[in-house]
Amino acid sequence: EVQLVESGGGLIQPGGSLRLSCAASGFTVSSYWMNWVRQAPGKGLEWVSLIHGSGSTYYADSVRGRFTISRDNSKNTLYLQMNSLRAEDTAVYYCARENGGIDFWGQGTLVTVSS
Amino acid sequence: QTVVTQEPSFSVSPGGTVTLTCGLSSGSVSTNYYPSWYQQTPGQAPRTLIYSTNTRSSGVPDRFSGSILGNKAALTITGAQADDESDYYCVLYIGGDVRVFGGGTKLTVL
Repeated sequence: EVQLVESGGGLIQPGGSLRLSCAASGFTVSSYWMNWVRQAPGKGLEWVSLIHGSGSTYYADSVRGRFTISRDNSKNTLYLQMNSLRAEDTAVYYCARENGGIDFWGQGTLVTVSS
Repeated sequence: QTVVTQEPSFSVSPGGTVTLTCGLSSGSVSTNYYPSWYQQTPGQAPRTLIYSTNTRSSGVPDRFSGSILGNKAALTITGAQADDESDYYCVLYIGGDVRVFGGGTKLTVL
């Protein structure tokens, strides 16, 4: 059974850093394209980042230069390193597997950026 | 800046048919944008309905279908049920590796 479990969210001050993790089971992360998608409170979905199976990475303009997507194949885990956090980064962050389109989503982890 | 457009809200009667659309601020949506559709109820993670224009995700009933209608992607729900009342999001693949979500459509079944 495919499962994605995010962790690492919490309350962080503006300018701070946080690393989100997404532990995958039931499939091999390195064999799929993997995304991070976020949703601010009461708002719609926003695509954040993508990593190809080859390791190539892509980012939304809103996070490029501040966020880094990566994976650890030995742990079958996807990561999102978030630096220079801003209030507008407050959101639930979902990891999502892509297979012709996003087919599986995690349950999300809440990141709150506030002083 | 590419903007993906969706109707902010829509209503349908139980048993009725509704078509939600997903367009571009400039240009036409084609299968090359790999339109996908997601359903989300409050407090829950999104659920994938349709990807690559018209491929139904595993377990999704066949009353949900995807297509290209004119210059937009479309999600059609036939025989609407009360539990279809949700937010629906589309996403388009822009330039191959950038995904842009639409603002979502709040569907009311009444």
